Amino acid sequence: QQQVKQSPQSLIVQKGGISIINCAYENTAFDYFPWYQQFPGKGPALLIAIRPDVSEKKEGRFTISFNKSAKQFSLHIMDSQPGDSATYFCAATSNNAGNMLTFGGGTRLMVKP
Amino acid sequence: DAEITQSPRHKITETGRQVTLACHQTWNHNNMFWYRQDLGHGLRLIHYSYGVQDTNKGEVSDGYSVSRSNTEDLPLTLESAASSQTSVYFCASRAGAGGFNEQFFGPGTRLTVL
Repeated sequence: QQQVKQSPQSLIVQKGGISIINCAYENTAFDYFPWYQQFPGKGPALLIAIRPDVSEKKEGRFTISFNKSAKQFSLHIMDSQPGDSATYFCAATSNNAGNMLTFGGGTRLMVKP
Repeated sequence: DAEITQSPRHKITETGRQVTLACHQTWNHNNMFWYRQDLGHGLRLIHYSYGVQDTNKGEVSDGYSVSRSNTEDLPLTLESAASSQTSVYFCASRAGAGGFNEQFFGPGTRLTVL
């Protein structure tokens, strides 16, 4: 049972464009939603995270939009750069769900110069 | 600088052999995790530990075991390797028990079971 569904699996964006990755979750107990970024040959690293008490969080060119009623959240990368080419994972966790991260399936982003 | 390392980085083994993947962290974190990464499945939790002598099963624990004899190390053992265990394995650690604490991942071990 995949509790966090992520789409698309792959994404190609031109340099300067906006990259959008979407995630949907089922467990309403989730209360923390991080995004991880993974470069080839490396382990994932925390990029940005949000709690459900806010609808948006922005850090530089990266923004998380959160829709609690729809149980969806998304990552927007503004002015996408070739250096953003990586695999992105959304995740969710809850203090009431054993504090374990449940990951989405991942999105492989390629930003063309 | 504190870090988390994994060894070996690449491993090829045969079906039925026992394999142990090493994970070592210098963060002094109590919480440590093992994940496997497969295309389309993201990262799935195999085993985790909240401290020395503590181990717990994750979502996909069948065929795997871990032991925690000190804070720094959490080795993952495949008792009898199967082709279905061909994957990339990541170790991670975090400082606190809360899910909101950042997890730090190692560089991964690519395991091929022939």
